[in-house]
Amino acid sequence: AQSVAQPEDQVNVAEGNPLTVKCTYSVSGNPYLFWYVQYPNRGLQFLLKYITGDNLVKGSYGFEAEFNKSQTSFHLKKPSALVSDSALYFCAVDSGNTGKLIFGQGTTLQVKP
Amino acid sequence: EAQVTQNPRYLITVTGKKLTVTCSQNMNHEYMSWYRQDPGLGLRQIYYSMNVEVTDKGDVPEGYKVSRKEKRNFPLILESPSPNQTSLYFCASRGRPQRYNEQFFGPGTRLTVL
Repeated sequence: AQSVAQPEDQVNVAEGNPLTVKCTYSVSGNPYLFWYVQYPNRGLQFLLKYITGDNLVKGSYGFEAEFNKSQTSFHLKKPSALVSDSALYFCAVDSGNTGKLIFGQGTTLQVKP
Repeated sequence: EAQVTQNPRYLITVTGKKLTVTCSQNMNHEYMSWYRQDPGLGLRQIYYSMNVEVTDKGDVPEGYKVSRKEKRNFPLILESPSPNQTSLYFCASRGRPQRYNEQFFGPGTRLTVL
């Protein structure tokens, strides 16, 4: 069965420092992977996706993610964090046949000035 | 603007009083879905619809109903709400081919059942 794990409930970063939010996945077949961000009292916003091709995927707001097939990981990164990046981040994988996305439990990112 | 809308955004109700949460999308997507979000559990799918008049259960369908009479609308119905349905609900839609495309989410409906 497809699954996604986000091993950190919370990540704390100082503004200006690089950030990484971790995600590992388990799928049968090709993985189709997504990152979403949720700001307080808002819906989920799409950041980026990996379908095929380059292992480094660039997305919205300066975020990027690195797909690593051997480690079954899809970590979200940003070279220089902003206080406004503070939010809840979800990694997701396509379930394969029903259109459903399977979400990780979410990681809260706190960027401090 | 491409969007998914939900109403109401906030709802407080009592056990057993039937309610409907509406969802509408303007992107002509065939696929629509309902999720609930609970702390520590991420998002779990309640029901989904692959097209008009085609609906199916997700992971947590108990206590919910849906209908898909028109492509743009996908209401979520709680016929006899209970306190364990207190949650944050999201409607989403997805374009074809679904596997390669992101889901678009509505702003959420925070439901409290007393």
